[in-house]
Amino acid sequence: AQSVTQLGSHVSVSEGALVLLRCNYSSSVPPYLFWYVQYPNQGLQLLLKYTSAATLVKGINGFEAEFKKSETSFHLTKPSAHMSDAAEYFCAVSYTGGFKTIFGAGTRLFVKA
Amino acid sequence: GAGVSQTPSNKVTEKGKYVELRCDPISGHTALYWYRQSLGQGPEFLIYFQGTGAADDSGLPNDRFFAVRPEGSVSTLKIQRTERGDSAVYLCASSLTQTGSSTDTQYFGPGTRLTVL
Repeated sequence: AQSVTQLGSHVSVSEGALVLLRCNYSSSVPPYLFWYVQYPNQGLQLLLKYTSAATLVKGINGFEAEFKKSETSFHLTKPSAHMSDAAEYFCAVSYTGGFKTIFGAGTRLFVKA
Repeated sequence: GAGVSQTPSNKVTEKGKYVELRCDPISGHTALYWYRQSLGQGPEFLIYFQGTGAADDSGLPNDRFFAVRPEGSVSTLKIQRTERGDSAVYLCASSLTQTGSSTDTQYFGPGTRLTVL
């Protein structure tokens, strides 16, 4: 069975600081992994996805994530936080031939001026 | 073109009533998904349509929940005898291909916030 654990329901960083949002997954088959962002009163927007090509995936808005099979992790990073990055971030997993996407509980990112 | 749209944006109903939530996917997208997002949680899968048929409805919590997509485009999620525990944001997403494909990208609508009093 597939599952996703996001460590930390809330993360607070200063503007310009490194953003690190943690995601660990469990999957009995090779996974597809995703990060989505949700701004208040808006739908989820795909930031990036891993589909078994390059392990370092670059997404929109300067975010990237690295797939580490040995650690079953897919952490999201951004070198320098902007105020506009404040939102809820969700890690998700699916797999070849599967119909479901399983989401983590989310991490709310706060950016301090 | 337009993104995924959902109507209504907000729905307040009384316990025991019947509600319908509508989803208009992106034109040409064959795959459609419904999720439920409770406060402080991530989206929880409910049902997946490929075309007109429900390929996976294993996420529907009980038989009070039902969804249709009769013409392979618009979908309606129907909830009978609503309960207070059904209060949540119901999200719809569509994709060009089926999930589980390396090319699948789900595009989400803004959701319908359902409140059962």
